[in-house]
Order: sequence, then structure tokens, then C-alpha cells
Amino acid sequence: KNQVEQSPQSLIILEGKNCTLQCNYTVSPFSNLRWYKQDTGRGPVSLTIMTFSENTKSNGRYTATLDADTKQSSLHITASQLSDSASYICVVSGRGTDSWGKLQFGAGTQVVVTP
Amino acid sequence: NAGVTQTPKFQVLKTGQSMTLQCAQDMNHNSMYWYRQDPGMGLRLIYYSASEGTTDKGEVPNGYNVSRLNKREFSLRLESAAPSQTSVYFCASSQTDTSGYTFGSGTRLTVV
Repeated sequence: KNQVEQSPQSLIILEGKNCTLQCNYTVSPFSNLRWYKQDTGRGPVSLTIMTFSENTKSNGRYTATLDADTKQSSLHITASQLSDSASYICVVSGRGTDSWGKLQFGAGTQVVVTP
Repeated sequence: NAGVTQTPKFQVLKTGQSMTLQCAQDMNHNSMYWYRQDPGMGLRLIYYSASEGTTDKGEVPNGYNVSRLNKREFSLRLESAAPSQTSVYFCASSQTDTSGYTFGSGTRLTVV
């Protein structure tokens, strides 16, 4: 069973509107949580990285939140633009020698921004 | 431009053929990784190299081998390709396990 679940699987939003993507994880012990943006035909690009002690981090119009107690994270996109059309991937890193290099990837949320 | 370079970008193989996917990074990162991405699934780790001279299996290593040629280069070899290895392959690098990963643009491999 995947240890990182994302919802919704896909969504369509109008240009200029806001949206929020969800990520639930079961990885434990937890080290950090990352959000990546993946454009079609390209590799993922990092948006934010948060450790367990951080509960919010922003990167321009992207704001990620983390609740390590409930093992939930969200990514909020403000004033969406056509260039925000992409897959957004939640990635969780465990802590400990067995977790080294072994990030757990969600399947992603496909966002389509329409004019 | 600094980053991770993968070659080739596209490849079609017949079942049983072999090939090597090349990856090079110019950021002086210690660690390098190979992932595969299949529809509806998260990226899965095939092999990784924590530092020059070391390699370790990831989640899905069967059917693959790797070589960390030097600090810059990390190659992935398919000895006898199978249709189940049809996927998009990504190479990534990072300075440490907890630092950000930089991904290449991917190799789309089809095995017929």
C-alpha cells in the first residue's frame, strides 16, 4: 500500500482562481515532506521542503502546510496561471538508516488551468 | 545550464535487447538515483548511489544494473529488456539525503 496518498487525482480550475491539493502520509518516523511540480514530459522540480518542525512554507504563489500530528499536508496555489498546469507530487522522506535515499512518492494531482 | 542530463530522451527496444541509460550531473552532488515512473503510480526507486564508489538497491531493482562511473556519472543498464520495463526513467542527484533533489528530463523507454 502506498504510504503517500494524494487527492484529488485531478482537477480543473479557471485562471485566476485558487486551489488546494491534499496529501496524507503514513511514513514513520518522518524526516521531511516535499512538494514537486512536474510539467508534461519533464522531470519533477522542487517547490518546497518542510521538516517536522515547520508547519508552513511559501514559494511565490505556492504555499505548503504541514500537520505532522495528523500526517497531512496541503499545497495551496493562489491566483492560478496557465503555467500552473502540471502534476503536483507530494514526497515524504522517512528518518533512519533504512530510509536513506528512499523517498516515498505520491501518484500526483493533475492540475489543469483553463482560460 | 547546471543540472542533470539524461540520454537518450526516447528509445524503443525489442524484448531481449540490452541498453544503457546515461546520466550526468554538474552540481558536484554526492548522491545519485534512478527512478521509474509509470501511469497512476508514484516514482519508484530502482537503484541509488549515496556517494562515489557505492551503489544500493531501491524498491524495484530486478532486471537492472547500475554503475557509478565517477562522481558525475551514474548509468542504468537493462541486460535483457522486457515489456514490463516500458516506463519513463528519471535520474536525480542531491548533495545529501535530506537536501533537495534535482531531476533530469527523463528517458521514455518502450519495449516491444
